[in-house]
Amino acid sequence: DITMTQSPSSLSASIGDRVTITCRAGQSISSYLNWYQQKPGKAPELLINGVSILQSGVSSRFSGGRSGTDFTLTISSLQPEDFATYYCQQTFSRPRTFGQGTRVEVK
Amino acid sequence: EVQLEQSGAEVKKPGESLRISCKGSGYSFTSYWIAWVRQMPGKGLEWMGRIDPNESESKYSPSAQGHVTISADKSINTAYLQWDSLKASDTAIYFCARVDSSGYNFYASDVWGQGTMVTVSS
Repeated sequence: DITMTQSPSSLSASIGDRVTITCRAGQSISSYLNWYQQKPGKAPELLINGVSILQSGVSSRFSGGRSGTDFTLTISSLQPEDFATYYCQQTFSRPRTFGQGTRVEVK
Repeated sequence: EVQLEQSGAEVKKPGESLRISCKGSGYSFTSYWIAWVRQMPGKGLEWMGRIDPNESESKYSPSAQGHVTISADKSINTAYLQWDSLKASDTAIYFCARVDSSGYNFYASDVWGQGTMVTVSS
């Protein structure tokens, strides 16, 4: 199985802050890295696929990047609706493993 | 509107069997895989496996293999997750999700069901 190590596990931030979440893959996964947002009591929603391809309807304040096997999700200016838990997922090989999640909370 | 509608919450006893469902609408059901994802109380997401509804071919995670069965009935656009003998540790929310089998979006899950809460308790 490919281990996805996500950091931090939680963070506190204020409206307008720039926030970056990192996900490290245990081995090469090419561009098969996706990001999801989950709000309490709701199903996850796809934000980004293929490292940096924004899903239709997702705000452009979300962006994805990569450096080797380290992947990042950046929120350029945190908005009230962005307080949620974020997960990365590799879809390079089975089983399709997720990171452990990053909870973004109000500071 | 593209959507996945899951069956309702279940409360079962250890050792009982269960089948939950996920019905797709608004798209060509056989053109996409359906994946199942588990979320235990207060925990993260865990991929269990997926099915190709067109071929009824299933793939499983090592932890799910042998404990659950993923199936589909393409005539009614519905996928299923089934247990023959539930354990207390199966208590979780189970989500189904659509996956583009062409790989065009890197096999991301772009549409999700609302989740089915399964509680297993004696």
